[in-house]
Amino acid sequence: DTAVSQTPKYLVTQMGNDKSIKCEQNLGHDTMYWYKQDSKKFLKIMFSYNNKELIINETVPNRFSPKSPDKAHLNLHINSLELGDSAVYFCASKTGVGEQYFGPGTRLTVT
Amino acid sequence: GENVEQHPSTLSVQEGDSAVIKCTYSDSASNYFPWYKQELGKRPQLIIDIRSNVGEKKDQRIAVTLNKTAKHFSLHITETQPEDSAVYFCAASTIGFQKLVFGTGTRLLVSP
Repeated sequence: DTAVSQTPKYLVTQMGNDKSIKCEQNLGHDTMYWYKQDSKKFLKIMFSYNNKELIINETVPNRFSPKSPDKAHLNLHINSLELGDSAVYFCASKTGVGEQYFGPGTRLTVT
Repeated sequence: GENVEQHPSTLSVQEGDSAVIKCTYSDSASNYFPWYKQELGKRPQLIIDIRSNVGEKKDQRIAVTLNKTAKHFSLHITETQPEDSAVYFCAASTIGFQKLVFGTGTRLLVSP
């Protein structure tokens, strides 16, 4: 009965590879997000979707491509992975009044 | 766009003491201010939030105050316990607007 779930929890891969992270929420929220948390713990928004439509696209390399097949799912695909992409990636979903609920995170390590 | 500053970056207290974390924001249109707690290796979790129509909100040992004129808000934790040790993030947004801007986080350490 997890509200926001992500897979995988850990991802170790080599530079140049392509990988995907999946997110699902069962809260019925319309809005979902991807955040990146670096080693200094800074939380930065990357993308947001509302009802499958992209509404926020921060300054993120175009190697990162989000996809929302339906409003309960938001996936993140990363092409040509670089060392600097190593971080924890959090998915989140939002209620109508602003409360955001985070997934457990995916720790990506690029070697 | 909105910019949120948070201080201090680290805070060490003894069990039973109070802890105060302060944030300032730049966009006067912001009207929603949540606080998140992130334990080591875990997800950020909402612990309390305040909207601009109130100046203070309390939930047991946690309280948040908001000064819209000065554009700052604070988290107060009383009677701290070791399990309060975590990184705390403030954030600001406008209700209905989709983007939360987070502060840089405060690492709180409560020593027994």
